[in-house]
Amino acid sequence: RKEVEQDPGPFNVPEGATVAFNCTYSNSASQSFFWYRQDCRKEPKLLMSVYSSGNEDGRFTAQLNRASQYISLLIRDSKLSDSATYLCVVNMEGGKLIFGQGTELSVKP
Amino acid sequence: DADVTQTPRNRITKTGKRIMLECSQTKGHDRMYWYRQDPGLGLRLIYYSFDVKDINKGEISDGYSVSRQAQAKFSLSLESAIPNQTALYFCATSGGGGKGEQYFGPGTRLTVT
Repeated sequence: RKEVEQDPGPFNVPEGATVAFNCTYSNSASQSFFWYRQDCRKEPKLLMSVYSSGNEDGRFTAQLNRASQYISLLIRDSKLSDSATYLCVVNMEGGKLIFGQGTELSVKP
Repeated sequence: DADVTQTPRNRITKTGKRIMLECSQTKGHDRMYWYRQDPGLGLRLIYYSFDVKDINKGEISDGYSVSRQAQAKFSLSLESAIPNQTALYFCATSGGGGKGEQYFGPGTRLTVT
């Protein structure tokens, strides 16, 4: 079993749609959680951290369920510029990040 | 100017050649990392370093070596390149403190023929 698993993509949605990505992790000792965004063959960049209480940044909402070892990202009112690959990332003890394989999102006009 | 730079950005080399990928950062971070990315596999950690005297193997270190020449510089070497080392290589830095955010360089696209 992979340490971090994400929904398989690609997700093809129209502009304005709401889309949700899910992610599960296997190590209960995982300490912190993130969503990164990667545009085509460019470097990953931090989108947002994920907190147990849930957190929101504009159109983006992240949720963490430690009991179920599950992380989610919700994007509301999708824009063309949201097209990218979204990486679920788990910070293990000792500062190592474990990356999911990514979920590709394509927002169409 | 970019905070994390990588050279070269693209490289084509032949099987058996030794090649070095270089990474420099101006963020003042102690922690540096090397990853490779392959389609469908995500990013995998090759080596990481938490300070100049600290080097640690990651998930897939076989066939690679690293050198931390200074706080700002972390090089990755392929001693004898093979075709399955064809990949996109990223260097990253972080400031530690347990938060985990990493800052990535633009990547090096390496092709081994």
